[in-house]
Amino acid sequence: TQLLEQSPQFLSIQEGENLTVYCNSSSVFSSLQWYRQEPGEGPVLLVTVVTGGEVKKLKRLTFQFGDARKDSSLHITAAQPGDTGLYLCAGKDPRDDKIIFGKGTRLHILP
Amino acid sequence: DAGVIQSPRHEVTEMGQEVTLRCKPISGHNSLFWYRQTMMRGLELLIYFNNNVPIDDSGMPEDRFSAKMPNASFSTLKIQPSEPRDSAVYFCASSLGTAFSYEQYFGPGTRLTVT
Repeated sequence: TQLLEQSPQFLSIQEGENLTVYCNSSSVFSSLQWYRQEPGEGPVLLVTVVTGGEVKKLKRLTFQFGDARKDSSLHITAAQPGDTGLYLCAGKDPRDDKIIFGKGTRLHILP
Repeated sequence: DAGVIQSPRHEVTEMGQEVTLRCKPISGHNSLFWYRQTMMRGLELLIYFNNNVPIDDSGMPEDRFSAKMPNASFSTLKIQPSEPRDSAVYFCASSLGTAFSYEQYFGPGTRLTVT
């Protein structure tokens, strides 16, 4: 069974600071997704990365897929209170195309 | 446009009772997924359907859990009998196309508490 480890589990920082959260595995994934989940709601897809080394930007969010397609990072520049939420990474297993979710990083941006 | 609709949003029941969770996928989507989310285990896939047919139920924890999709616009997840360890948030998601090749859209979830 493939596992995705997300770190840190919890992060609380001041508005305006930069931060990076990580998603790591010992296994290769054919693609990796990042979701944000707000309290009382389901996860919402932010981005899908497919190619090793790929970098995608979504406004202040930068997503990178590791060269070996085993890990990914999410960097937020100048964090805002609206960025608060649970960030989940999900990898697609190349053997059966199932998506496996990490447990998430719970981010809290203090105004 | 309506997203994925789940009901009820909250369910509190006593151990041993039957619980039925309901989901209406986005119109036109032909894959439907049931997930369970807990702090300890995160988000776990229980079962998914394609064109109303169950494709993979290997994530269903045990025989107390069953899921049906009688038509393209409705699915149920039933727990009978329920146990306190079933307490979790249950999400339904739908997508275009087959399996996991397309973006999944999640519903708001049903928070189940079994006492």
